[in-house]
Amino acid sequence: EVQLLESGGGLVQPGGSLRLSCAASGLTINNYWMSWIRQAPGKGLEWVAHLQPDGSATWYVDSVKGRFTISRDNAKNSLHLQMNSLRVEDTALYYCTTGGVQWGQGTLVIVSS
Amino acid sequence: DVVLTQSPLSLPVTLGQAASISCRSTQRLENSDGITRLSWFHQRPGQSPRRLISQVSNRDSGVPDRFSGSGSGTDFTLIISRVEAEDVGVYYCMQYRHWPHTFGQGTKLEIK
Repeated sequence: EVQLLESGGGLVQPGGSLRLSCAASGLTINNYWMSWIRQAPGKGLEWVAHLQPDGSATWYVDSVKGRFTISRDNAKNSLHLQMNSLRVEDTALYYCTTGGVQWGQGTLVIVSS
Repeated sequence: DVVLTQSPLSLPVTLGQAASISCRSTQRLENSDGITRLSWFHQRPGQSPRRLISQVSNRDSGVPDRFSGSGSGTDFTLIISRVEAEDVGVYYCMQYRHWPHTFGQGTKLEIK
């Protein structure tokens, strides 16, 4: 059974940093497109970042470019999202997904002073 | 960015009746390989989204055949032939032809 388990969310002040992690089981993440998708409270879905299977290319939505970095640890079969210079508008539930096919339960990030 | 516009945004449906959701794109979603990159997702209250359909009309494993997708170019439709109670929630279309991948605003289906 495929499982994606996110962690690392929490409450942070504007300008702060968080590192989200996604532990995968039942699949080997370096065989998949891996993505982070977020959902602000009561809102729709927004694709945040995307990592090619061979790790050679990444894509980011414009609003997080230069602030967020998606990466992968093949040895630990885990995906990460380093989030710096956080803004109030980054408040959301962050989902780890295999390109939208399998989804975790999400980890909540709240940016507030 | 590609904008996907769904309609209606709210969809009250009687159990056993059909439901239809439209998704219109500001750009064509067919790639040079001939594949049209449009998916549909369902999100029940308090749950993670679940992909129902990819490439316009390909149902994912385990998705009931009462769900069907159609369309081409910039206009797409999700049809639920006979709505059941478990179908409540929000439905999203998503394009993965152009970066950034984008979602429609969502259509909330409820039972009358």
